[in-house]
Order: sequence, then structure tokens, then C-alpha cells
Amino acid sequence: QVHLVESGGELVQPGGSLRLSCVASGFPFSTSNMNWVRQAPGKGLEWVAYTSRDGVIKYHADSAKGRLTISRDNFNNRLFLQMNSLMAEDTAVYYCAKHGEGGSLDHWGQGTLVTVSS
Amino acid sequence: SYALTQPLSVSVAPGETARIPCGGNNLGAKSVHWYQQKPGQAPVLVIYSDVARPSGIPERFSGSSSGNQAFLTISRVEAGDEADYYCQVWGFGSGLRVFGGGTKLTVL
Repeated sequence: QVHLVESGGELVQPGGSLRLSCVASGFPFSTSNMNWVRQAPGKGLEWVAYTSRDGVIKYHADSAKGRLTISRDNFNNRLFLQMNSLMAEDTAVYYCAKHGEGGSLDHWGQGTLVTVSS
Repeated sequence: SYALTQPLSVSVAPGETARIPCGGNNLGAKSVHWYQQKPGQAPVLVIYSDVARPSGIPERFSGSSSGNQAFLTISRVEAGDEADYYCQVWGFGSGLRVFGGGTKLTVL
């Protein structure tokens, strides 16, 4: 079955950088569009970024543009989120999610917590 | 930018029917998806493309959409249905995804 496992979340100082990783299994990763979604503590879901199956087309939420960058490695079935110039507002659980029918997100990982604090 | 509106909370007694609305401009022309999220867990897709149910989701969960509103309906509500529910649409061609603010379903 589909399995998504995120890693890389940790405590980081404001202005710092972090790289999140999501390893995928149980489905043809190289033919699946993928996303990052985040959830600040006690808040709702916020879409962060999207990448097409081949990594050519990428979209980022306005809140992420210029600082958070999605990428993928289809050879190793991995999705990444490079996070630079981190701010307190980036504190959240970050989920990777597989694109499904009609633009839904049909499978999610368990999430990885990023805390930005001095 | 496009926005989806959901009530903060909906309460229902066990065995009754819960109806959770999601509002957005011309929402009926878009595909609406619904997610269930229980405390400390990742979201789970319960309805996609307005009305379709993923495998493993009980038939008690159904969706509808018309005009500027979509609805998630949960029939014969159980205590285990208590969760946050989010609606979501996808801006085709832009990759943009928008979530509603979420509705907390309380089973009385």
C-alpha cells in the first residue's frame, strides 16, 4: 500500500535553513504529482507547494515563494522541501501528500515538525 | 485569491445526520474534496470530486455541491466521527490548492 514517510523536521533558529525529505513506497512515484502541506499548531491546513511527476512544473504558495522550494528525486523515490530564511510563522507540521483524482490529496504522510525559534 | 468558508463547529447527536457546509464563489463549477483529521493524526481523504468515496470510507459519508456551496454529509453519526473536517479545491492549471478553515464536528 501507499506509504509516505517524512523526516528532517527539527528546531531551527530564525533565518536558518532546513531540508525536509519524504520517502515514498507502494506506488509508482515517478508518475505521481506530489505536494507539501503544512499545519501550524492549533491551526488549519495550508498548501505549500506542488511538483509535477517529472519535476518540471512547480507551484508554491505565496507564503513560500522565494524561501521554500519543492524538488524530487524519482530515482530514489524522494520528495524534498528546501526551507531557507525560516521565520517563526513557518513553525508547523509538514506533510507530503500524493496527488489524486480531481486534484485531491489521496495519501498523506504522518508529518514532520519544524519549529522555528530562538 | 480564492477562499473557502466553513463554520468553526457543527454539533450532532449520535445516530443523527451531520451536514458540514463549504462556501466559495461558483464552487459548484469546481471539484471539491473533503478530509477528516483526528487529533494527532494526518488528514484522510473521505470524499473527492464532490461525490466520490475512496475505498475504505464508509457509505455513511457522502458529498454534494451546487452553486456556491458544497456539503459533506455524515449519516448515522458515531462517536468515532468526531474530528476536524476540511474542504479543498484545486486550481486546475495553476497547481494551487485552497483549503477551507476547517469545521470541528462534535458528537454530543
